[in-house]
Amino acid sequence: KQEVTQIPAALSVPEGENLVLNCSFTDSAIYNLQWFRQDPGKGLTSLLLIQSSQREQTSGRLNASLDKSSGRSTLYIAASQPGDSATYLCAVWTQGGSEKLVFGKGTKLTVNP
Amino acid sequence: GAGVSQTPSNKVTEKGKYVELRCDPISGHTALYWYRQSLGQGPEFLIYFQGTGAADDSGLPNDRFFAVRPEGSVSTLKIQRTERGDSAVYLCASSLMGGIGKNIQYFGAGTRLSVL
Repeated sequence: KQEVTQIPAALSVPEGENLVLNCSFTDSAIYNLQWFRQDPGKGLTSLLLIQSSQREQTSGRLNASLDKSSGRSTLYIAASQPGDSATYLCAVWTQGGSEKLVFGKGTKLTVNP
Repeated sequence: GAGVSQTPSNKVTEKGKYVELRCDPISGHTALYWYRQSLGQGPEFLIYFQGTGAADDSGLPNDRFFAVRPEGSVSTLKIQRTERGDSAVYLCASSLMGGIGKNIQYFGAGTRLSVL
């Protein structure tokens, strides 16, 4: 059974700092990995999707890497801003696991002005 | 509509009552998913529809939970004899088509269900 773990559970940083969020998964047989952002009382917004054959994806100040063999992904946020404050969720789509995404519990990020 | 729409946004009910939660997917999306998110947890899969049929309902916790999508668009999640443990945010997502992890799932804002 696929399990996804995110560390740390919460992170507080000053504005302008670069930061890394970590995600690990137990079954490396995945189709893809997605990073989502969730604001309080809102749904999930997809940030980056990395296919299993890819090593990384970039979008603006965000860069996500994937090491499938070791079961790890990182989300790098450059020059953090207060507007980046949200919960960041990692989810994997496991081979043979139907169409469902398996999520971690998320990292709650606070960027202080 | 422009995105996935879920109604109501909040639902308060009493233990033992029946509730229906509605999801309007993005127009043209054939795949629809329901997830449940408890406080401090990540979303957990409930059920997946491809068109009108439930392709995978392995995440439904028990037979009090049922979902339909009769015309392949709008879906309704139905919960009978609600229990306090059913309190959570119920999220709906849709994607252009199902298919081996290639399609991004777009999520609605969710329905926050509170069972008193």
